Amino acid sequence: GNSVTQMEGPVTLSEEAFLTINCTYTATGYPSLFWYVQYPGEGLQLLLKATKADDKGSNKGFEATYRKETTSFHLEKGSVQVSDSAVYFCALAIEGAQKLVFGQGTRLTINP
Amino acid sequence: AAGVIQSPRHLIKEKRETATLKCYPIPRHDTVYWYQQGPGQDPQFLISFYEKMQSDKGSIPDRFSAQQFSDYHSELNMSSLELGDSALYFCASSSRVGQPQHFGDGTRLSIL
Repeated sequence: GNSVTQMEGPVTLSEEAFLTINCTYTATGYPSLFWYVQYPGEGLQLLLKATKADDKGSNKGFEATYRKETTSFHLEKGSVQVSDSAVYFCALAIEGAQKLVFGQGTRLTINP
Repeated sequence: AAGVIQSPRHLIKEKRETATLKCYPIPRHDTVYWYQQGPGQDPQFLISFYEKMQSDKGSIPDRFSAQQFSDYHSELNMSSLELGDSALYFCASSSRVGQPQHFGDGTRLSIL
């Protein structure tokens, strides 16, 4: 089946630290990969995406590279800010299918 | 830019009651998705519609039904509510199958 496994949280970092949130996937077809962010009391916002192997998605200083050989899509940011505190979800969508399959989410807290 | 609008934002019901959640997609989006997110859980896909026809079905209980109307808004109808139905219900829309899904802020349903 199709599934996403994320690094367990919570993750707590100091401001300006380097961030990595690991994400690996299992898929029966050719997935597109996504990172969504959920701020407290809000819905899911698309952070970045990649649709094929070796694509790099980037947005707001966050990056993730679609690695087919390791079935991974790790999220990175060079210098985090307090405003990055949120829950981050890795997700996949199989080509031709409708639904998103989410990982369990990683809660990130950035301290000043 | 217009986003996905969900109503109500909060809803409190008692066991065995019914509830109707509404979703208004981004203009010109023809595909609507419903997800359920339990406390501390990742969103689980319930059902989706494309051009007013059901296009995919996930883990939606038989007590729930949904439809998409001619103006593309969608409603999720929930009957015989149970305590376990307490969750955040998200609607998402996309311009077509395979395009990134944009989420609303969700409806928080509490069953007493």
